Amino acid sequence: AQSVAQPEDQVNVAEGNPLTVKCTYSVSGNPYLFWYVQYPNRGLQFLLKYITGDNLVKGSYGFEAEFNKSQTSFHLKKPSALVSDSALYFCAVRVPSGNTPLVFGKGTRLSVIA
Amino acid sequence: NAGVTQTPKFQVLKTGQSMTLQCAQDMNHEYMSWYRQDPGMGLRLIHYSVGAGITDQGEVPNGYNVSRSTTEDFPLRLLSAAPSQTSVYFCASSYTSGGTPTGEQYFGPGTRLTVT
Repeated sequence: AQSVAQPEDQVNVAEGNPLTVKCTYSVSGNPYLFWYVQYPNRGLQFLLKYITGDNLVKGSYGFEAEFNKSQTSFHLKKPSALVSDSALYFCAVRVPSGNTPLVFGKGTRLSVIA
Repeated sequence: NAGVTQTPKFQVLKTGQSMTLQCAQDMNHEYMSWYRQDPGMGLRLIHYSVGAGITDQGEVPNGYNVSRSTTEDFPLRLLSAAPSQTSVYFCASSYTSGGTPTGEQYFGPGTRLTVT
């Protein structure tokens, strides 16, 4: 069975500093990996995905994530955090075959402090 | 495109009442799904559908029914509401390739349900 772990419930970072939100996964086979962001009282918005190819993927709002197969990780990063990046971030994984649905982590709340 | 729409945005029910949460998408996506979001629990899949006439259970299906008579609509029915069903409900859709959901899911704005 596939699963996703986000080991940190909360990440605090000062504005202008780099940020990392961690994600590890467990699947049989090659994964499809996703990051989503949720602002207060809103639905989830897609940030970026890894399907195949280059391990470093770039997404919306200056975010990027690096797929590391040996460590089964897909950490979300941004070189310089903004206060407006404060939100709830979800990592998700899917096996690229059959009808296996998307499985989400429990989410990490990012707080960027001015 | 309106994307994924959900109605109502808010709903309060009494224990034992039934209701239907509506979800519609105008992107011709074959794959649609319902999640509930609870604090500290992330998103949990309730039911999903890979096309009209086809539905399947997710992680937490008990107390909920779905149907998919058209590509566009995927309503979620609460048969007899319980306080444990107090949650925020999200509908999502995505493309498929050969029956397999691919790419990112598009989410609706959510329905906040309270059962007293």
